[in-house]
Amino acid sequence: AQRVTQPEKLLSVFKGAPVELKCNYSYSGSPELFWYVQYSRQRLQLLLRHISRESIKGFTADLNKGETSFHLKKPFAQEEDSAMYYCALNAGSARQLTFGSGTQLTVLP
Amino acid sequence: GAVVSQHPSWVICKSGTSVKIECRSLDFQATTMFWYRQFPKQSLMLMATSNEGSKATYEQGVEKDKFLINHASLTLSTLTVTSAHPEDSSFYICSASGTSGSETQYFGPGTRLLVL
Repeated sequence: AQRVTQPEKLLSVFKGAPVELKCNYSYSGSPELFWYVQYSRQRLQLLLRHISRESIKGFTADLNKGETSFHLKKPFAQEEDSAMYYCALNAGSARQLTFGSGTQLTVLP
Repeated sequence: GAVVSQHPSWVICKSGTSVKIECRSLDFQATTMFWYRQFPKQSLMLMATSNEGSKATYEQGVEKDKFLINHASLTLSTLTVTSAHPEDSSFYICSASGTSGSETQYFGPGTRLLVL
């Protein structure tokens, strides 16, 4: 069975500092990994997916199959980045997502 | 972008009654819709996957007779919580993915259910 682990429930950084939200997964096949973000009082929305290899709002994430990780990074955090971040894995053709427990990021002024 | 709506946004009901929650894809056809449950300060737990025109697939531990799912059209899925009890109080979220083959799921705003 697949599993997604986000070891940090809470993460605080100062504005302008780098930020890394950790995500590890377990799955024997070739997964598709996503990062979803939920801003205060808003719905969950897709931030980025690993197959796109794109940078959204300054965030990037690289799939490391050797370490089974998909950490989310941003070199200079902004206050508006404060939100709940979920790492998710799609491990099959049914398009089902398995979510990590989420990390609440707070960017301090 | 793709928009998914849910109705109602919140509902309070008495124990023993049934509650229906609607999930609609507003500007795209959703071949697959998903229903999640989220407890306070916890992650989303997948309850079931529904494909238009076929029976929903429920995750282990989710009672299909308790949580009835109907996906009658490509833009509407409904979740009915039958004979609701206080332990069913939760935040229910639906998502939808379209026909393009993309894996992206678009999420609804969620429905807060409180059973008294």
